[in-house]
Amino acid sequence: EAQVTQNPRYLITVTGKKLTVTCSQNMNHEYMSWYRQDPGLGLRQIYYSMNVEVTDKGDVPEGYKVSRKEKRNFPLILESPSPNQTSLYFCASSLGASATYEQYFGPGTRLTVT
Amino acid sequence: GQSLEQPSEVTAVEGAIVQINCTYQTSGFYGLSWYQQHDGGAPTFLSYNALDGLEETGRFSSFLSRSDSYGYLLLQELQMKDSASYFCAGNTGFQKLVFGTGTRLLVSP
Repeated sequence: EAQVTQNPRYLITVTGKKLTVTCSQNMNHEYMSWYRQDPGLGLRQIYYSMNVEVTDKGDVPEGYKVSRKEKRNFPLILESPSPNQTSLYFCASSLGASATYEQYFGPGTRLTVT
Repeated sequence: GQSLEQPSEVTAVEGAIVQINCTYQTSGFYGLSWYQQHDGGAPTFLSYNALDGLEETGRFSSFLSRSDSYGYLLLQELQMKDSASYFCAGNTGFQKLVFGTGTRLLVSP
């Protein structure tokens, strides 16, 4: 089954404690991205990756890091989480970046930083 | 910057037709797509418009007018299961995809 998986699905952590949210896709997609979703603000892109070792900032990259060492995996790293990073996070993958291509979203990770 | 604006909420009754608008302020626009998201779920792809005009997919249609920087999603024969949030999305640069603010659709019996 074609899918995007994220782990963990729920996470409560404290300010400053480094965390990683994993994302994996089994569709051999080249384009992967991370979004955060906050009420009234829609989905905002954090980082995207065009292919292995090729990543770039989206609209809200501050406080986040990513890596793309393998085509299927695109982890999101919060080196020192802060309460304003409390949000719902989605990983997505597609054949390309254009709106032409269907973005396949993971189930989401709800993060709370206290 | 790039922004796509949508009404925050739309209400309608079962069997009716509803239109969700998306206006954008950006240049070099490549096209517009639409996503549906049920509460607690992930967004799922509905449709895409690369060119001006109407695209029809079953009960859902999407329209784009690049000269007016405007698009809409039309939902016909509304069903209770259509209650969800709907997002338009588009991109100007090759890599960046921008989502609209989202419209919550409430369908009542």
